[in-house]
Amino acid sequence: DTAVSQTPKYLVTQMGNDKSIKCEQNLGHDTMYWYKQDSKKFLKIMFSYNNKELIINETVPNRFSPKSPDKAHLNLHINSLELGDSAVYFCASTLSSRGRRGYTFGSGTRLTVV
Amino acid sequence: AQKVTQAQTEISVVEKEDVTLDCVYETRDTTYYLFWYKQPPSGELVFLIRRNSFDEQNEISGRYSWNFQKSTSSFNFTITASQVVDSAVYFCALSEEAAGNKLTFGGGTRVLVKP
Repeated sequence: DTAVSQTPKYLVTQMGNDKSIKCEQNLGHDTMYWYKQDSKKFLKIMFSYNNKELIINETVPNRFSPKSPDKAHLNLHINSLELGDSAVYFCASTLSSRGRRGYTFGSGTRLTVV
Repeated sequence: AQKVTQAQTEISVVEKEDVTLDCVYETRDTTYYLFWYKQPPSGELVFLIRRNSFDEQNEISGRYSWNFQKSTSSFNFTITASQVVDSAVYFCALSEEAAGNKLTFGGGTRVLVKP
């Protein structure tokens, strides 16, 4: 029943490893996003996809590669993890026509790089 | 470029006090949307309200109320008769049509309601 689901909820990994975070939404939305929340709680957009097409790519290291196999899924793959990648990553979705409820967020994935 | 400023980083009140959270935004777009989200200690982001730039009517929902003033580019949020469960970080956010509908968040205001 979860509208936007992210897996895993927690991820602890060593520096240099490669990891993926998955996101799926069952709301029929056509636009999905990845946001990063740092230790000071700042929330910043990383990527946005509309109908599987990349429309926003903020200044993110190319170690981060989003993949959208269909408009209900947006996964985030991170290569060569660094300590500074430790953060909470939120997936979100919306309809590009922006319904009244706005953006729906997943519950977040807390990534800890050790 | 769009920008959202929440000048108050932390507010501490005693239960039943009112608390107002300030939000000032910058945008060059004439069509934009403003949001408030709540992030309780459990970490999820909970949608509270969305306002479009053409609707300056204030809104009240239970103990929550919002004051949107385009003349001062502000979208302030008041919690009346605060409760311990209101303790959370509150984010104001802006979305512009011209910016691919991305949400730009303010830095957040942590509200601590003491019993």
